[in-house]
Amino acid sequence: DVKVTQSSRYLVKRTGEKVFLECVQDMDHENMFWYRQDPGLGLRLIYFSYDVKMKEKGDIPEGYSVSREKKERFSLILESASTNQTSMYLCASRTQGGGFYEQYFGPGTRLTVT
Amino acid sequence: KQEVTQIPAALSVPEGENLVLNCSFTDSAIYNLQWFRQDPGKGLTSLLLIQSSQREQTSGRLNASLDKSSGRSTLYIAASQPGDSATYLCALTGGSQGNLIFGKGTKLSVKP
Repeated sequence: DVKVTQSSRYLVKRTGEKVFLECVQDMDHENMFWYRQDPGLGLRLIYFSYDVKMKEKGDIPEGYSVSREKKERFSLILESASTNQTSMYLCASRTQGGGFYEQYFGPGTRLTVT
Repeated sequence: KQEVTQIPAALSVPEGENLVLNCSFTDSAIYNLQWFRQDPGKGLTSLLLIQSSQREQTSGRLNASLDKSSGRSTLYIAASQPGDSATYLCALTGGSQGNLIFGKGTKLSVKP
């Protein structure tokens, strides 16, 4: 079974802190994604990565950056956390081949910024 | 720009009832369509994936259909159970980069 894990289920941080959210997949997938989910807005794509050291902006990249130094790991970085970044963050991975293959999701990280 | 709409936003049914969840989209140029289940505070579980060349997929009590020409997909749940209570999300893969675009979900409650 494909497994996508996220480093924390719940995280509480203070405004202005630098925050790292980690995602690891064990299926040698080339593509990885970060989404955030908010009530009434649904899931929105923040960043994605086609392969190691490659990244592309999604729909809402402002205030975020990403890092992919190894194939299995994709990190989301909040450079200076703000209260409007309080949200559920979901990571996903997919094999190479573009849109024909399904994405597999991790359990999510509920981030609260106070 | 592709838009995905799910109606209704919430649905409550008695146990044992058959039900249909609806998903509509505005651009028929898609790679595939996925239905997900999400339990409160949890991640997404993939239920069914329909490729753009397919008309339907079945898994157990679930059947998903796809009609690209009309921009619609339905998720049929047979003989619903309280354990089916969750939010069901429709998402399609489209665009030049093949990214998922989500609907806002239908929250299903199955009453014993």
